[in-house]
Amino acid sequence: NAGVMQNPRHLVRRRGQEARLRCSPMKGHSHVYWYRQLPEEGLKFMVYLQKENIIDESGMPKERFSAEFPKEGPSILRIQQVVRGDSAAYFCASSPLGGGGYNEQFFGPGTRLTVL
Amino acid sequence: GNSVTQMEGPVTLSEEAFLTINCTYTATGYPSLFWYVQYPGEGLQLLLKATKADDKGSNKGFEATYRKETTSFHLEKGSVQVSDSAVYFCALTRAAGNKLTFGGGTRVLVKP
Repeated sequence: NAGVMQNPRHLVRRRGQEARLRCSPMKGHSHVYWYRQLPEEGLKFMVYLQKENIIDESGMPKERFSAEFPKEGPSILRIQQVVRGDSAAYFCASSPLGGGGYNEQFFGPGTRLTVL
Repeated sequence: GNSVTQMEGPVTLSEEAFLTINCTYTATGYPSLFWYVQYPGEGLQLLLKATKADDKGSNKGFEATYRKETTSFHLEKGSVQVSDSAVYFCALTRAAGNKLTFGGGTRVLVKP
């Protein structure tokens, strides 16, 4: 069973360009989470999605950032008009559907975004 | 809101030394608690977890006990190896399917 896949692993953009980060969850997982790790800091929650629904976007910046998880295909985190402060590692995690108790989140290897 | 505080690093140890990384939390109710490890250039891996008070999580020689009275979840290992060099994150979640709240991470460097 392949793990969570993210691509690209490294992404370089110039200020003002758009960045698209992709996340394919583990097989059978329908919950996806995006986290951002700024240099020398811990991970901060951004958004939680299920198929075709945004469940919690309380950690998303109000402008320029959006996320989707379509019925088919990977989850996409989109950053428009990137600025240098967007440079960070972006991690995706997935967890299985439903059930009571805690569903472990499995993390991908991350996409390291550098804005020049 | 929820928060996690862990000791700042870096922590530098010699091989076979004892490791402790302190972690305390603030949360309403009864969170689940986790330790994740991040090796250089990689994503996070779950190291251990505990879902209720007095539970002890353990894995690969690491242990942590959920102490509700002190709101703590300190990570310990009795004899570290060079391969344990990594960044360790303490985290909590309040409910199933819910977001993780992370501490700032503690970098551990084990020297031979």
